[in-house]
Amino acid sequence: AQKITQTQPGMFVQEKEAVTLDCTYDTSDPSYGLFWYKQPSSGEMIFLIYQGSYDQQNATEGRYSLNFQKARKSANLVISASQLGDSAMYFCALREGPQGGSEKLVFGKGTKLTVNP
Amino acid sequence: DTGVSQDPRHKITKRGQNVTFRCDPISEHNRLYWYRQTLGQGPEFLTYFQNEAQLEKSRLLSDRFSAERPKGSFSTLEIQRTEQGDSAMYLCASSSPLGQGELSGNTIYFGEGSWLTVV
Repeated sequence: AQKITQTQPGMFVQEKEAVTLDCTYDTSDPSYGLFWYKQPSSGEMIFLIYQGSYDQQNATEGRYSLNFQKARKSANLVISASQLGDSAMYFCALREGPQGGSEKLVFGKGTKLTVNP
Repeated sequence: DTGVSQDPRHKITKRGQNVTFRCDPISEHNRLYWYRQTLGQGPEFLTYFQNEAQLEKSRLLSDRFSAERPKGSFSTLEIQRTEQGDSAMYLCASSSPLGQGELSGNTIYFGEGSWLTVV
């Protein structure tokens, strides 16, 4: 089974509107972390936001917030007040805890976000 | 610039040649990772170092691939006898050590990647 599923290959949003990018994950490790990265056409992976499995509150970073629903195993990224510069690929990634024995991130296939003026 | 830096950013090579990529992590980070990303896919894990020790290797890392981090600072990824299927972007990332009792929270920072084209 895939550990990270991003079901939206592409999304469109109007400038200044909010958009939600979906991410579901699969892990049996009780301790894990979920990351969102932005990848513009230049290729660099830019860290946006992190949510730990034991965090009580949803993570927020400026215009980014994470809608974490642990029971549903979903960690959707919400971008508020979209800007033209938000157009990029967005990747959700899972890092299982130290008990899982691995330090690696497992990425989804990404969602291409296009912000229209 | 104090981020993760990679060199070269772009490399075109003929099939069968060897190539080497270098990664300089953020200075206080003891963990270093290599990932590979092909078009239309998310990055895939290749290998991971903690200081100079290579602690985990993916099955994707065939015998033609070798990574080193001799002094626990910069790292190199060498691909021998390149094949067209090796064409991809090779991403390096680093993170700081997990504190005692800390879970998965340390942010992993990526470099801008090294694009490889094998012709």
